[in-house]
Amino acid sequence: DQQVKQNSPSLSVQEGRISILNCDYTNSMFDYFLWYKKYPAEGPTFLISISSIKDKNEDGRFTVFLNKSAKHLSLHIVPSQPGDSAVYFCAASEGSSNTGKLIFGQGTTLQVKP
Amino acid sequence: DVKVTQSSRYLVKRTGEKVFLECVQDMDHENMFWYRQDPGLGLRLIYFSYDVKMKEKGDIPEGYSVSREKKERFSLILESASTNQTSMYLCASRPRSSGANVLTFGAGSRLTVL
Repeated sequence: DQQVKQNSPSLSVQEGRISILNCDYTNSMFDYFLWYKKYPAEGPTFLISISSIKDKNEDGRFTVFLNKSAKHLSLHIVPSQPGDSAVYFCAASEGSSNTGKLIFGQGTTLQVKP
Repeated sequence: DVKVTQSSRYLVKRTGEKVFLECVQDMDHENMFWYRQDPGLGLRLIYFSYDVKMKEKGDIPEGYSVSREKKERFSLILESASTNQTSMYLCASRPRSSGANVLTFGAGSRLTVL
């Protein structure tokens, strides 16, 4: 039972254009959502997060949108750069507990073509 | 710069061998985690620990055990390695109070079981 889903395994965009990565979730009790970026042979690195009480959070070229009624979030990268080519994981936090468990989606591989 | 260090980047073991994966963090974090990453499945939580000598099962604990004797060190143990445990193993940590629940990951340990 996958609580966090990334239904697109891969995405290819041209340099300079917008990249939109999508994520769906089922548990309405999630309180934070995060995006991680992963290069091959490296650990995931934190990119951006959003609280469940917000609908948008922006950090430079990266913006995350949250639609709670649809249980959907998306990551927008504008403009996309070749260095953005990586696997992107959506993750959700299971309530404000001390354990800090994150539940991850399957990942989307982004390729940005020069 | 804060770090999560996984001692072995690449390991090759034989079926039935006992395997130890070590993880050390220098951030004085209370919570530590072991995930495995497999293509198409994302990151799945194996075990986590929220204090020294404390451990909790994650979503896929079968075939694994853990040890947390010191705050900075969290070890993952495969008692009898099997081929289906071939995977990328990722250690992570976070402080007990972390608003957005951001985990810091190590670089990963790629385990191949023959």
